[in-house]
Amino acid sequence: DVKVTQSSRYLVKRTGEKVFLECVQDMDHENMFWYRQDPGLGLRLIYFSYDVKMKEKGDIPEGYSVSREKKERFSLILESASTNQTSMYLCASSLRTGGSSPLHFGNGTRLTVT
Amino acid sequence: AQSVTQLGSHVSVSEGALVLLRCNYSSSVPPYLFWYVQYPNQGLQLLLKYTTGATLVKGINGFEAEFKKSETSFHLTKPSAHMSDAAEYFCAVSRPNYGGSQGNLIFGKGTKLSVKP
Repeated sequence: DVKVTQSSRYLVKRTGEKVFLECVQDMDHENMFWYRQDPGLGLRLIYFSYDVKMKEKGDIPEGYSVSREKKERFSLILESASTNQTSMYLCASSLRTGGSSPLHFGNGTRLTVT
Repeated sequence: AQSVTQLGSHVSVSEGALVLLRCNYSSSVPPYLFWYVQYPNQGLQLLLKYTTGATLVKGINGFEAEFKKSETSFHLTKPSAHMSDAAEYFCAVSRPNYGGSQGNLIFGKGTKLSVKP
């Protein structure tokens, strides 16, 4: 079974702090994704990566950056956290097979910015 | 551009009743379609997917979905609801060739299913 592990289930940070959300997958997947989930809005793509050191902006990249130095690890960075970034953050990975491979999700990190 | 519409943010059924969760999509290319389920405080888990071939797709936990190209629909059904089916369900369509990569999914806003005893 594919395992996607997010380092924290719950985080509480203060406005202006730099925040790191870490994600590790153990199945040698090429693609990795960061989504945020908000009630009534579903999942929205923040950033994704299809290879080491490669990254592409998703639909809502503002206020976020990412890092992928190793194939198994994809980090989401909030340079200066703001209250409107309070949300559930979901990491996912998939094989690079032309779009037919499903995403495998971690259990999420619920971030609260006060 | 691809998009997904899930009709009904909340659906309530009685235990043993039919479950029908609706999903319509728009896509400029033949789509890959997915249904995911999310239980409280967990990530999303794949229920089933349609890529090519048979349009009636069977998934886990007794769920199935039918791809209807003429109706641009991919509705999720289960003949008899169980209390353990209470969760949030997301329909998703693949977004090919986005930023040079494939494998992105566009998600609907989700439907919360409640099951009454």
